[in-house]
Formats: sequence, C-alpha cells, structure tokens
Amino acid sequence: RKEVEQDPGPFNVPEGATVAFNCTYSNSASQSFFWYRQDCRKEPKLLMSVYSSGNEDGRFTAQLNRASQYISLLIRDSKLSDSATYLCVVTDNTNAGKSTFGDGTTLTVKP
Amino acid sequence: DVKVTQSSRYLVKRTGEKVFLECVQDMDHENMFWYRQDPGLGLRLIYFSYDVKMKEKGDIPEGYSVSREKKERFSLILESASTNQTSMYLCASSLQAQPQHFGDGTRLSIL
Repeated sequence: RKEVEQDPGPFNVPEGATVAFNCTYSNSASQSFFWYRQDCRKEPKLLMSVYSSGNEDGRFTAQLNRASQYISLLIRDSKLSDSATYLCVVTDNTNAGKSTFGDGTTLTVKP
Repeated sequence: DVKVTQSSRYLVKRTGEKVFLECVQDMDHENMFWYRQDPGLGLRLIYFSYDVKMKEKGDIPEGYSVSREKKERFSLILESASTNQTSMYLCASSLQAQPQHFGDGTRLSIL
C-alpha cells in the first residue's frame, strides 16, 4: 500500500462545476500537509497548505481529518485554467522535512 | 520569492557517461531534494540533504550519488548513465516543516 493515495482520475468537469479530490495517508506521524498543482511538463507548484481547522483560498478549500488520515481539496466554480494535476503532499517533520507525494489527480475543465 | 535553479532544462548523454545535474537555491534553505518523475510513477525521491555535507537515501538511490559542499548547492551524479535513467529530474528545497519549492526540472535523455 502506498503511503499517500489519491484517486488518479481523470476528472472531466464543465466550467463552473464544483469538484473534490481526496487523499489518504498512512503515516500517523505526518504533521504538515499541502496541495500542489502541476501543469503538463512543468514543475509542481504549491497551491496551498492544509491546516487542521480547514482553510480557504478563493475558490479553493482544503480540509484535514487527522483521525481518519484524510485530506481533501474542493474547487468551486471551476475555470479552464484549473486543468492540471493536483498532488497531495504529506510531510514527516521529524525526518528532515522529507515529504511523500501522491501520484496526483488529473483534472480537465471543459468549456 | 524562492528561486531554485537547475543547470539545464534539457540534457542528452550517452550510456556509461558520468552525468552531473546541478541545483542552486537562493533562500538559505536547510533541506534539499532530488526527485525523478516518470509517467505513471509520480515523483520518486532519490536523495535528500538536511545540511551541508549531509545526505540521506530516498526511495530509489541506486545508480545515483549526491554532493552538498555548500548550503545553496546540491548536485546529483549519475555514476554511469544507463537508458533506464532517462527521466525528468526535479530539485527542490525547503525550510524545516515548510513546503518544498521546485526548480524547472531537467529532462535527461540517455542514448
């Protein structure tokens, strides 16, 4: 079983749709959580950190459930420019900030 | 803004050559990482370093070595390049418990 698991998709949604991605992790010592976005043939870029209380950045909302070891990302009012692969990242702060990346969920937003 | 610079965007080498990939960051980050990314396999950690002259093996260190003589520079070395090392190589850096920042990546082809 992988340390970080994501539904690979692809998710194909129309513009304006709301879409949610889920991620589970197995290391209960994990302490920092992030969502990254990766465009085709580009490097991953930080989208947002994920806090225990949940956090929102514009159309994006991230949630963390430590008891279930589960992270989610909600995108509201999808735009064409949201088309990308979204990577869930879990960091064990006791190990030099070593992060484990999920394999990513691919989103395509269509007109 | 954090800047992580990788020495080459594209590189073509021959089987058996010794290959050096260089990475420099300008934000005084303690942690630096080398990954490779292949279609369908996600990001895989090769080596990481949490301090000058310190290095730790990641998930796939075989066939690679690293060097960190200065805090800002982390080099990945392919001792004797093989065709199965054709891949996208990504360098990243971070502060402890903070998200990683990636370079643009090096697309390495071994012929």
